[in-house]
Amino acid sequence: EVQLVETGGGLIQPGGSLRLSCAASGFIVSNNYMSWVRQAPGKGLEWVSVIYSGGATYYPGSVKGRFTISRDNSKNTVYLQMNSLRAEDTAVYYCARARDAYKYSFDDWGQGTLVTVSS
Amino acid sequence: EIVLTQSPGTLSLSPGERATLSCRASQSVSSNYLAWYQRKPGQAPRLLIYGASSRATGIPDRFSGSGSGTDFTLTISRLEPEDFAVYYCQQYGSSPMYTFGQGTKLEIK
Repeated sequence: EVQLVETGGGLIQPGGSLRLSCAASGFIVSNNYMSWVRQAPGKGLEWVSVIYSGGATYYPGSVKGRFTISRDNSKNTVYLQMNSLRAEDTAVYYCARARDAYKYSFDDWGQGTLVTVSS
Repeated sequence: EIVLTQSPGTLSLSPGERATLSCRASQSVSSNYLAWYQRKPGQAPRLLIYGASSRATGIPDRFSGSGSGTDFTLTISRLEPEDFAVYYCQQYGSSPMYTFGQGTKLEIK
């Protein structure tokens, strides 16, 4: 059974840093595209980052230069390092898997971890 | 940068009725890399449709997707009570790599 479990969320002051983790089971993360997607309170879904099976990474302009996605193949875990956090980064952060069989849409999701950026 | 615009913002219908949700892209979506998701409160998003028209595993056949290029549609043929939720379209491949629409709320009339 495929499972994605996010951890690492919490309350952080503006300008601070936080690292989220996404532990995967039931499949190998390095063989898939892995992404982070967030949803701010009262807002829609926003894609935050992706790491390809080959290791390439991509980000939208809203987080580029501040967020870094990575993975540890030995732990089958994906990470999101978030620096210079802003109030507008407050959201539930989801880890999601994308596969070529599903035209790179997100077919498996975790339950999310809440990040609150506030003083 | 590609932008996805969903309409209507809110759709009020009754169980048993047909729902038609629209997603329009600001430029052509490459290789029909267009997906639809259902979002209910307290739950992770659920993939419904990928590749513009293919149903994901376990999705009832009352859900169907169509369209190509810049205009896409999600149709729910006969609404069940559990179908009332927020629906998002999403594209892959054009800068930025992934984009979501702003969502359509399907509510009970």
